[in-house]
Amino acid sequence: GQNIDQPTEMTATEGAIVQINCTYQTSGFNGLFWYQQHAGEAPTFLSYNVLDGLEEKGRFSSFLSRSKGYSYLLLKELQMKDSASYLCAGMDSNYQLIWGAGTKLIIKP
Amino acid sequence: DVKVTQSSRYLVKRTGEKVFLECVQDMDHENMFWYRQDPGLGLRLIYFSYDVKMKEKGDIPEGYSVSREKKERFSLILESASTNQTSMYLCASRIPGDSHTQPQHFGDGTRLSIL
Repeated sequence: GQNIDQPTEMTATEGAIVQINCTYQTSGFNGLFWYQQHAGEAPTFLSYNVLDGLEEKGRFSSFLSRSKGYSYLLLKELQMKDSASYLCAGMDSNYQLIWGAGTKLIIKP
Repeated sequence: DVKVTQSSRYLVKRTGEKVFLECVQDMDHENMFWYRQDPGLGLRLIYFSYDVKMKEKGDIPEGYSVSREKKERFSLILESASTNQTSMYLCASRIPGDSHTQPQHFGDGTRLSIL
């Protein structure tokens, strides 16, 4: 079956770094997406990886290892506004997204 | 910026009612999607549409139908609402792109309660 696993909840301190992991099993693979969702709001696109390696976008970076079925989202210099849920989604061979349940990130001062 | 608008943020309906959830996007996107989001579960795809008049079943289509009469509008219909359809419903749209790997853009969601 197809499956996306990510931690349910994580806590980090303002100004610190946090890594949110995601493992995936999909029928075929056409890339992996990360979205951010603040409570009561729409998910917003953060990153897309299809090749192995690290992609950096400002304070956020996303990493992919296709051989390990593994990705992570790295958030640096955490700010209170980064408190949100982070959704990992793998795209299968039919270009359909398989979504994880999301990781709720709590930032403490 | 892409704007995806869902007609209601909160909706309360009764069991057995026919419920319409409306979604409109303003960027001429061809692909549109309906998901439901429940605590502890990932987004689950109900229906999607790759063009006007076209519709495809997603992973959980039972109890739902859709309508895509115009490119910008994608409607989700609960034929006879039941309490297990109480959920957050999210609409999304996407440019198809060369390989369908363009990101989806979401509306703010409709929190539907069926009593």
